[in-house]
Amino acid sequence: QQKVQQSPESLTVSEGAMASLNCTFSDGTSNNFRWYRQHSAKGLEVLVSIFSDGEKEEGRFTAHLNRANLHVSLHIREPQPSDSAVYLCAVSMNSNNRIFFGDGTQLVVKP
Amino acid sequence: GPKVLQIPSHQIIDMGQMVTLNCDPVSNHLYFYWYKQILGQQMEFLVNFYNGKVMEKSKLFKDQFSVERPDGSYFTLKIQPTALEDSAVYFCASSYRDWGGEQYFGPGTRLTVL
Repeated sequence: QQKVQQSPESLTVSEGAMASLNCTFSDGTSNNFRWYRQHSAKGLEVLVSIFSDGEKEEGRFTAHLNRANLHVSLHIREPQPSDSAVYLCAVSMNSNNRIFFGDGTQLVVKP
Repeated sequence: GPKVLQIPSHQIIDMGQMVTLNCDPVSNHLYFYWYKQILGQQMEFLVNFYNGKVMEKSKLFKDQFSVERPDGSYFTLKIQPTALEDSAVYFCASSYRDWGGEQYFGPGTRLTVL
């Protein structure tokens, strides 16, 4: 069964400083990788999806995928206090849309 | 972006009772999902549903669970009877296509079984 692990568990950054979140997965045949954001009492908001090795940018959010290293990361440029939330790494296969989630990283952005 | 709604937001019931969780998916979506998140734990896949049928279910989808979407209305998750370990937040999601389609999530229903 796919295992998805995120680090760090929690991260505090100052407003404007880059925030970097990491995610490792166990199944190297995975093809779909997403980062979601979850504000308390709200649904998940998809931030960026990436399907091939390299980099994908969506606004201030950039995902880096290295499938050989079983690693996908999220970098948040110029984070703001409103970016404070739990960030979830999500991994799935192309032919099977069942998503495996990581435990999440709690991000706090201080003004 | 597209919105998935879930009703109710909170539900408290006694163990052994039946509960139905309702999901109003994005209007043109064809694939529907339920995920379960116990407090402090990972979100985990329960089931996905397409064209009136369960396509895949996980070990968490016990015999007491059932899903349906009668006549294109709400996509529902029914638990009958409920058990204490069913207490969790249940998230509904929908997508337009199965192959790599983006899943849009609702805000969740917090279920407390006493």
